[in-house]
Amino acid sequence: EAGVAQSPRYKIIEKRQSVAFWCNPISGHATLYWYQQILGQGPKLLIQFQNNGVVDDSQLPKDRFSAERLKGVDSTLKIQPAKLEDSAVYLCASSLARQGPYNEQFFGPGTRLTVL
Amino acid sequence: AQSVTQLGSHVSVSEGALVLLRCNYSSSVPPYLFWYVQYPNQGLQLLLKYTSAATLVKGINGFEAEFKKSETSFHLTKPSAHMSDAAEYFCAVSPRPGQAGTALIFGKGTTLSVSS
Repeated sequence: EAGVAQSPRYKIIEKRQSVAFWCNPISGHATLYWYQQILGQGPKLLIQFQNNGVVDDSQLPKDRFSAERLKGVDSTLKIQPAKLEDSAVYLCASSLARQGPYNEQFFGPGTRLTVL
Repeated sequence: AQSVTQLGSHVSVSEGALVLLRCNYSSSVPPYLFWYVQYPNQGLQLLLKYTSAATLVKGINGFEAEFKKSETSFHLTKPSAHMSDAAEYFCAVSPRPGQAGTALIFGKGTTLSVSS
C-alpha cells in the first residue's frame, strides 16, 4: 500500500514570496491533516479536512496561509506572503474517517521550507 | 485543554542500556496516548498507542509504555538500546470519541542518542 506522498521535499524561498505544498493521502482515507513542525518543537495542527470540508482550521494563520482539498483527495497548502518564521517542516497526514475508537494517522515525509 | 509534556529534550544512553523517555499529559479525561518516532528527514512513524483498558502497551522495535492514570504519565521504555534507536521521539494525545477534534497534540520531542 502506498503511503502519504508529499512534494516538494525541500523548498527555499525569499521572504514575501509565495509557496505551495502538495499532499496525496493514502487511497480511501477521508481525513487529511496538515501539521507545521518548527525546529525543536513537536508538530502543530494547521488544518484538518474531512473529505473536502474543513473540520478545524483554528490554528491556521488565515492572513497568509490557505489550504484546499478539491474532490476530497489531494490537498495543497499555500503560504503567501512567506515570513521568516514560516521556516519549518510541513507534514501531511491522513486517516480513515473515525468510525471506531481511533483511526491511526499516517504521515508523509514532509516538506522542509526555508525562508531567507 | 489537553497538553503533553516531555521531560528532557535530549537523552543519551549506551548501547545495551535501558531507554526511558518521559511523557506526562494534562487532561480532565484520560485521552488516547501515542508515541511516535522520527528519523532524520523522514515523517513520523507510530511506535505504540494507548486506546483501551490495557495499561501496558507493547509497540514495535521492542518498545513499550505504561499508562499510569494516577501519575498522568505514559513513559516509553526499551530494555536494551540499539544504535538504530537514535532518533527523535514524540509523545502525543488525541481526544476520545465525544470530545472535540481528532487531531494529535504533540509534545516538544526528545532526541535519543545511543553511543557504542
